[in-house]
Amino acid sequence: GDSVTQMEGPVTLSEEAFLTINCTYTATGYPSLFWYVQYPGEGLQLLLKATKADDKGSNKGFEATYRKETTSFHLEKGSVQVSDSAVYFCALREGYSTLTFGKGTMLLVSP
Amino acid sequence: NAGVTQTPKFRVLKTGQSMTLLCAQDMNHEYMYWYRQDPGMGLRLIHYSVGEGTTAKGEVPDGYNVSRLKKQNFLLGLESAAPSQTSVYFCASSTGGATKTQYFGPGTRLLVL
Repeated sequence: GDSVTQMEGPVTLSEEAFLTINCTYTATGYPSLFWYVQYPGEGLQLLLKATKADDKGSNKGFEATYRKETTSFHLEKGSVQVSDSAVYFCALREGYSTLTFGKGTMLLVSP
Repeated sequence: NAGVTQTPKFRVLKTGQSMTLLCAQDMNHEYMYWYRQDPGMGLRLIHYSVGEGTTAKGEVPDGYNVSRLKKQNFLLGLESAAPSQTSVYFCASSTGGATKTQYFGPGTRLLVL
């Protein structure tokens, strides 16, 4: 079945550092890929998505590129802020099936 | 535009008690979902619905029942609560299709003693 693997956290960074959160997936077909973010005490919200190979999703300075050859969708940001502290979830969805989530990666950014 | 709302926000139950969690969405979405979130486990799908009057089991359906009598509402029931059901429950909704975004509610924190 489908699965998503994320790097374990927490990831701790200083403000303005470069961020990478790794995500790899297993799927039988051609899924759509998503990054969701969960701020403390809140529900998940979509951060970015990509629907086909080589697509790049971007939002709020975050980027991720759909790499079919390496089955990856790594999240990057050039300069993180304290306000980026949250839990980040990678997810995939094939056809009309439901979302499959990774276990989440906590990001802690200090001033 | 409220999006997805959940009631209640927090609840404490004793083992064996029953309760219903209510999810409501005002975006006219066909699909609705119930997830539970536990530390180190990510989000796991409990049940979902692809339209009014239809429901289906997800990854962890045991101990839960659901109903979708109205398009905008999706109820999650616990008939006899167990400590293993202590969790944070999230409802979500979406339109159909692989590329569509799921919109999440703020969550219900449930503690079963």
